[in-house]
Amino acid sequence: SQTIHQWPATLVQPVGSPLSLECTVEGTSNPNLYWYRQAAGRGLQLLFYSIGIDQISSEVPQNLSASRPQDRQFILSSKKLLLSDSGFYLCAWTVNPNTEAFFGQGTRLTVV
Amino acid sequence: GENVEQHPSTLSVQEGDSAVIKCTYSDSASNYFPWYKQELGKGPQLIIDIRSNVGEKKDQRIAVTLNKTAKHFSLHITETQPEDSAVYFCAAPRDSWGKLQFGAGTQVVVTP
Repeated sequence: SQTIHQWPATLVQPVGSPLSLECTVEGTSNPNLYWYRQAAGRGLQLLFYSIGIDQISSEVPQNLSASRPQDRQFILSSKKLLLSDSGFYLCAWTVNPNTEAFFGQGTRLTVV
Repeated sequence: GENVEQHPSTLSVQEGDSAVIKCTYSDSASNYFPWYKQELGKGPQLIIDIRSNVGEKKDQRIAVTLNKTAKHFSLHITETQPEDSAVYFCAAPRDSWGKLQFGAGTQVVVTP
């Protein structure tokens, strides 16, 4: 069966520090991968989308970047965190467009 | 692009009563409408979805209706139980790549 792993679950980082959040999918090949951010428990905002290795589109220009070094690995990064980067970050995958999106358990990031 | 509006933002119901959440969308070409349930501190999980070739779909206590002419779809939960308490999101496709536009969410509270 397919599973998605996302870590860490919680993270507290100082302003100006780097960030690396990792997401891996098991049990499927060539998934479509997504990074979402959710503020205040509502409203999922799509940050990045990837249809294949090194094929990533950015939805919202900001202080973050994403990479996909392997087929089932998706990484969200920042060189210097801002206070406004705080939020709940969710990784998700789909097999095909317009099918069920499977979400990870999320990472609660607090920038202090 | 697709715009999805969701109402109400909060919904409090007595256990055993029904709950209805409504969403409207703007792109008449949209053909896939999922509903997600998010429990506190977890990632969203698909509970039901509907495609544009049907007007209604039911799964036990949960049903979704779609009115393509009016461009709105609704989630119906009957015989609500305390475990139905969560945030519910509707969504519609933003493009053919499977990116979803989510509604702002509805906090449902079921009181015993």
